[in-house]
Amino acid sequence: DAGVTQSPTHLIKTRGQQVTLRCSPKSGHDTVSWYQQALGQGPQFIFQYYEEEERQRGNFPDRFSGHQFPNYSSELNVNALLLGDSALYLCASSSPTEMNTEAFFGQGTRLTVV
Amino acid sequence: DQQVKQNSPSLSVQEGRISILNCDYTNSMFDYFLWYKKYPAEGPTFLISISSIKDKNEDGRFTVFLNKSAKHLSLHIVPSQPGDSAVYFCAATGNTGGFKTIFGAGTRLFVKA
Repeated sequence: DAGVTQSPTHLIKTRGQQVTLRCSPKSGHDTVSWYQQALGQGPQFIFQYYEEEERQRGNFPDRFSGHQFPNYSSELNVNALLLGDSALYLCASSSPTEMNTEAFFGQGTRLTVV
Repeated sequence: DQQVKQNSPSLSVQEGRISILNCDYTNSMFDYFLWYKKYPAEGPTFLISISSIKDKNEDGRFTVFLNKSAKHLSLHIVPSQPGDSAVYFCAATGNTGGFKTIFGAGTRLFVKA
């Protein structure tokens, strides 16, 4: 049973460019959440997708957008990259039928903006 | 707006002794609390959780205590092992206008052999 998988694992982009990160949830999970973890901080909630719609959003600008596909996989898109967007981006999947349940995380994508 | 706070950035403990990691929260709507462990180059992995209807949950060497009146929870690891060295995140969720999970900044635990 594959867990949460993210691609790519590392990425270097130039300021102003756009980036797309990908996530496949754990088998049986249909809810995907994205987090940004800056150095020395805890994961910060970006948004959550369920049934191909953004269900919740954290305090992130519109440059951050996402998508969920019918197979529950998800993408995170960041436009007009800033140096401050450099971080570890984590994807987590969970089952909404159990609201109070743990999320399973992928290994993350390390984004460096230069 | 730090709704979940872990005020100790790091903790060093001798192997075999107890490790106590603390966490405070501010939002009274949180009703489910989790601890995650993170090793370098890996995503966080779930460790243990507790519902607000309980004040203690135990799983092997790990016990989480919840004090709702103080809005405080703690993770006890007994006995601590060198393999426990990692960053530990406290997280909280609940019907706060959504069910997003809010994480603390983490505490780095060093267990010395």
